[in-house]
Amino acid sequence: EAGVTQFPSHSVIEKGQTVTLRCDPISGHDNLYWYRRVMGKEIKFLLHFVKESKQDESGMPNNRFLAERTGGTYSTLKVQPAELEDSGVYFCASSQFHSGNTIYFGEGSWLTVV
Amino acid sequence: EDQVTQSPEALRLQEGESSSLNCSYTVSGLRGLFWYRQDPGKGPEFLFTLYSAGEEKEKERLKATLTKKESFLHITAPKPEDSATYLCAVQAWGGSEKLVFGKGMKLTVNP
Repeated sequence: EAGVTQFPSHSVIEKGQTVTLRCDPISGHDNLYWYRRVMGKEIKFLLHFVKESKQDESGMPNNRFLAERTGGTYSTLKVQPAELEDSGVYFCASSQFHSGNTIYFGEGSWLTVV
Repeated sequence: EDQVTQSPEALRLQEGESSSLNCSYTVSGLRGLFWYRQDPGKGPEFLFTLYSAGEEKEKERLKATLTKKESFLHITAPKPEDSATYLCAVQAWGGSEKLVFGKGMKLTVNP
């Protein structure tokens, strides 16, 4: 069974440009989460989808970030326009709705804004 | 506010030298405490979830325990391949399922 898949694995963009990160959760997982780790800091929660609905978006830093999960399958996280402080690694994670709370992470998308 | 503190930040061990990693937490109501392993350039790899004080779980050379204020990850007779960053996170009851992570503990096991 495939794990959580993220694309791209690495991205370098200029300040002011737009980047879209994609996450494919484990098949059958209704819960999908986005997290971010910036340099020197701990991993921090961004938002949580249950199927296509945003359950909790309290961690989204500002309105330059837009997350979608159309159809309740894969999700995208768009940063527009990107700023230098957006650099870091973005992790996607997924879990089944009543899984006993095992949350699986992807390998991450490493974003560098220059 | 929920908080997780891991200590030490880094630890060097000789192969076979057992030790423990500490994770102290404050949370409004603990739903679960998670341990992950992370290798450089990779995503967190799930190890354990603990739900209540007194619970213990084991996997190979790793054993996780939980009290009302902290969790320990005991490593018995570690091998070089156990070198990684170990992450602790808590999940609270009450609406959000988000994990609150500590900064992690980098373990190096020398042969």
